[in-house]
Amino acid sequence: GNSVTQMEGPVTLSEEAFLTINCTYTATGYPSLFWYVQYPGEGLQLLLKATKADDKGSNKGFEATYRKETTSFHLEKGSVQVSDSAVYFCALSDRNMRFGAGTRLTVKP
Amino acid sequence: GAVVSQHPSWVICKSGTSVKIECRSLDFQATTMFWYRQFPKQSLMLMATSNEGSKATYEQGVEKDKFLINHASLTLSTLTVTSAHPEDSSFYICSARDLVAFEQYFGPGTRLTVT
Repeated sequence: GNSVTQMEGPVTLSEEAFLTINCTYTATGYPSLFWYVQYPGEGLQLLLKATKADDKGSNKGFEATYRKETTSFHLEKGSVQVSDSAVYFCALSDRNMRFGAGTRLTVKP
Repeated sequence: GAVVSQHPSWVICKSGTSVKIECRSLDFQATTMFWYRQFPKQSLMLMATSNEGSKATYEQGVEKDKFLINHASLTLSTLTVTSAHPEDSSFYICSARDLVAFEQYFGPGTRLTVT
């Protein structure tokens, strides 16, 4: 069945460092792909999404490109901030939303 | 933007009692709502999918008699944890799929602690 695999954390970076969180998917058909962010004690917030191959989702300095050839949707940010510390989930949507395991990011001043 | 609320946000109950969690879509209609469970430092596990006016579809391994789901209207779904036990302590998150936009929006979650 459809599934998502994302890099395991935790990831610890210094402020202003470059961030990449890898995500690959397995799917039949062409699902939409998502990145969600979860801050401590809160629910999920949609960070960005892409609905078809070569689409780039972007929000708050984060970007991810739907790569059909590599079945990937890696999350990137050029310069992270302390406030970006959270857990990030990659997900795909077919009949239901399927989540990756989550990657905990800690950004230190 | 579309908002999904959950109530309560945090609840403590004694073992053996039942707890009801509400999930509401505040500014859109949702024929389909989803209930997830999240253990500490883990991903979301889909428990069940509920469609308005019909019985919920439970994922494998989820006890339907223990986790009662009702989706009586296009804006409200409830999850009742019956005869709760400490192992039911978890973070429960609902989401609702917009009938028109077909987007899925998530609630803020409910933390259940069973003592």
